[in-house]
Amino acid sequence: EVQLVESGGALVQPGGSLKLSCVASGFSFSNYWMSWVRQAPGKGLEWVADIKQDGSEKNYVDSVKGRLTISRDNAKNSMYLQMNSLRAEDTSVYYCARPYNSGWYGPFDIWGQGTVVTVSS
Amino acid sequence: DIQMTQSPSTLSASVGDRVTITCRASQSISKWLAWYQKKPGRAPNLLIYKASTLQSGVPSRFSGSGSGTEFTLTISSLQPDDFATYYCQQYNSYSLTFGGGTKVEIK
Repeated sequence: EVQLVESGGALVQPGGSLKLSCVASGFSFSNYWMSWVRQAPGKGLEWVADIKQDGSEKNYVDSVKGRLTISRDNAKNSMYLQMNSLRAEDTSVYYCARPYNSGWYGPFDIWGQGTVVTVSS
Repeated sequence: DIQMTQSPSTLSASVGDRVTITCRASQSISKWLAWYQKKPGRAPNLLIYKASTLQSGVPSRFSGSGSGTEFTLTISSLQPDDFATYYCQQYNSYSLTFGGGTKVEIK
């Protein structure tokens, strides 16, 4: 079964750090771009970042540049999101997502169940 | 960044109704548009990609059309399972922006 499982969400204070993980199974992880997408409480979906198959290219939404860092370890079928200098507006459910086509960076047909990040004092 | 604007933001409809949701891009995105269905507590579900291609397993009552800057998602006969929020997403260029969503409610 094709599956993505996120972990690492937690309650963290403003200015704090957190690292999210996404473990893939059931498909050739190293063949796919991968993305993080988030949804704040009561808000819409927001694409956060993505990473190329070999990790050589990374893209970010402007609001997280310099604070969040995407990475991957193909040997472990895993993707990560290092989150530093967290702000209240980073509070969201974070999803990892896989594009429907291995040659493209979007759109996304496989999603994880989400992990909750709450930034609050 | 390309801005995606959906209308309406909320739609009240009955089972069996034909429903149309519009998505407009701030600049041309050719046919690089997808539609998702989102229910509370669940991950988004890809319905349509490349503006009009139905994702495998998605019921044929869903259809998409458009190109350039204006797109529509149509549900030909609304079913009980279709009450949800729908999002468009452009993947023509970074950032891969979503529309604000259209909540389809029971009338």
